[in-house]
Amino acid sequence: ETAVFQTPNYHVTQVGNEVSFNCKQTLGHDTMYWYKQDSKKLLKIMFSYNNKQLIVNETVPRRFSPQSSDKAHLNLRIKSVEPEDSAVYLCASSDRGQVFFGKGTRLTVV
Amino acid sequence: GEQVEQRPPHLSVPEGDSAVIICTYTDSATAYFYWYKQEPGAGLQLLMSVFSNVDRKEEQGLTVLLNKKDKQLSLNLTAAHPGDSAVYFCAVITGYQNFYFGKGTSLTVIP
Repeated sequence: ETAVFQTPNYHVTQVGNEVSFNCKQTLGHDTMYWYKQDSKKLLKIMFSYNNKQLIVNETVPRRFSPQSSDKAHLNLRIKSVEPEDSAVYLCASSDRGQVFFGKGTRLTVV
Repeated sequence: GEQVEQRPPHLSVPEGDSAVIICTYTDSATAYFYWYKQEPGAGLQLLMSVFSNVDRKEEQGLTVLLNKKDKQLSLNLTAAHPGDSAVYFCAVITGYQNFYFGKGTSLTVIP
């Protein structure tokens, strides 16, 4: 049963465009995350958001920004995509150490 | 950095038999361990999570063992059934909430 919903499933765009990915969780969790998956199966944390407190991984380029309207939603905006942004982006939510992932959004920048 | 090795990559067992998947990790400071199941077209489904102060955890036909001395995490599916056929991933969290995933084990349960 999917409880973390991501849209779109995949997106192809050109360098310099702006993209936005949506994430919604129906678990009632207080904490949500965005991860970027690299080729070695490592999910690098980009942002975590808990009770309106945003924690940013300082290695994340400034063109990335999270957007949250309430604790069930955490969207990811990329202001001007670059080729190295091509990856799978995973949204997650957590409660008491258990982490639930969405299906991911595959971004291809051409 | 952390390295997670998962074996076997493929596993076939008759229905009713047990299936064991093993992961080894390298960072002794790793504190959180997870097993996820992925069915075709689906996302990662959390099966079980254990903290480093737990050696054994059992839930609904699944047993997770954590051997911190050998840095080994295992998942045992007892009495596997065809619905268990999927890809299984171990994962650990170290440091700054980064997840390290194993490469997955494709399990086939033969009726």
